[in-house]
Amino acid sequence: DTAVSQTPKYLVTQMGNDKSIKCEQNLGHDTMYWYKQDSKKFLKIMFSYNNKELIINETVPNRFSPKSPDKAHLNLHINSLELGDSAVYFCASSRQGALNTEAFFGQGTRLTVV
Amino acid sequence: AQSVTQPDIHITVSEGASLELRCNYSYGATPYLFWYVQSPGQGLQLLLKYFSGDTLVQGIKGFEAEFKRSQSSFNLRKPSVHWSDAAEYFCAVGTPNTGNQFYFGTGTSLTVIP
Repeated sequence: DTAVSQTPKYLVTQMGNDKSIKCEQNLGHDTMYWYKQDSKKFLKIMFSYNNKELIINETVPNRFSPKSPDKAHLNLHINSLELGDSAVYFCASSRQGALNTEAFFGQGTRLTVV
Repeated sequence: AQSVTQPDIHITVSEGASLELRCNYSYGATPYLFWYVQSPGQGLQLLLKYFSGDTLVQGIKGFEAEFKRSQSSFNLRKPSVHWSDAAEYFCAVGTPNTGNQFYFGTGTSLTVIP
């Protein structure tokens, strides 16, 4: 069973479109994250979310919005896609408030905006 | 503010040679520290983690890391590298006191030559 799964794995779309990337975790975690990995492999946190709090990296454009229908899902919605949005997006999850927690990652979604 | 520095962007070693990847962190409280590995086209896999106690931690695939508070370092080591170790390695700091965030270094790309 995949612990953190993302769909789709690859996404090619045109500028200006709106798209969503789905993420689901079956670990029972209560905190989920979205990271963006650019072409230089740098991992930048975009959002972290649990059922109480959304923490947004202030450098993330408001075209990006996380949507969580329930504790096991955190989808990433992107409006008006731009060329610079091309990257690999990783979803992750962890246990909130645990003393020895780490983040578990999905396999990534490679987004290409043309 | 928290930050993670990996001074070496790229390292090349011969198969069977020893390896050390450097990581320095900046964090005001007791850090939670991690090393992740990313194989091409894959997500991030946890190699090892440090929360407290013994400053030398053992991980998977024969890796170990040593936490040195005086140097704010958490270097990753392996006595004998295998060709399958070629990957991208990320050091990360966790901040359980501030919303359970995980911040990553810029990564070190490891090439293994026969």
